[in-house]
Amino acid sequence: DTGVSQDPRHKITKRGQNVTFRCDPISEHNRLYWYRQTLGQGPEFLTYFQNEAQLEKSRLLSDRFSAERPKGSFSTLEIQRTEQGDSAMYLCASSPIQGDTEAFFGQGTRLTVV
Amino acid sequence: RKEVEQDPGPFNVPEGATVAFNCTYSNSASQSFFWYRQDCRKEPKLLMSVYSSGNEDGRFTAQLNRASQYISLLIRDSKLSDSATYLCVVNIGNNRKLIWGLGTSLAVNP
Repeated sequence: DTGVSQDPRHKITKRGQNVTFRCDPISEHNRLYWYRQTLGQGPEFLTYFQNEAQLEKSRLLSDRFSAERPKGSFSTLEIQRTEQGDSAMYLCASSPIQGDTEAFFGQGTRLTVV
Repeated sequence: RKEVEQDPGPFNVPEGATVAFNCTYSNSASQSFFWYRQDCRKEPKLLMSVYSSGNEDGRFTAQLNRASQYISLLIRDSKLSDSATYLCVVNIGNNRKLIWGLGTSLAVNP
């Protein structure tokens, strides 16, 4: 394991369908972040885990979005009843808990809702 | 006011030019600072951390001004390959949440 892994890399779905993305962080990293990014914008914070605890969730996130990290390792992000406005790149990042170190990103999952 | 603000640009500069980006942050409890680089349709990658005393990595220099709550990135002798979006990141609070600026777009022209 040399980095953060996200699956799938691309997802096309019809409006109204549910989708689930997976993130496998770097194995020794306790912190895991989900971000959403649209073209021309910086990453927008969605939620943050420290081990299995979801410490913060953006108020921008509607109740259609849910994230889990059940064993403090991999995480899933589910979007229910997708809308066209959900089309974006969904980025996962992880970092160790010690010190003020940088976050390492996966390559992202590009979601297109048609 | 956004927690982290950057001038979105774009900055268009010729090869060899020196270009500087600034980023301001609003939370005085911010504890660590980073510059990331993002190429088109790729994930962000760490360019450099920003230390209180300032730090340099080759053609790149980062500085932090805690009193005025801004950080800067200076790129000397710009290369075509420096064309990218540069994102300012601030780590705040006990939860160590990362807050991102919207990024500054740089285009280095031949």
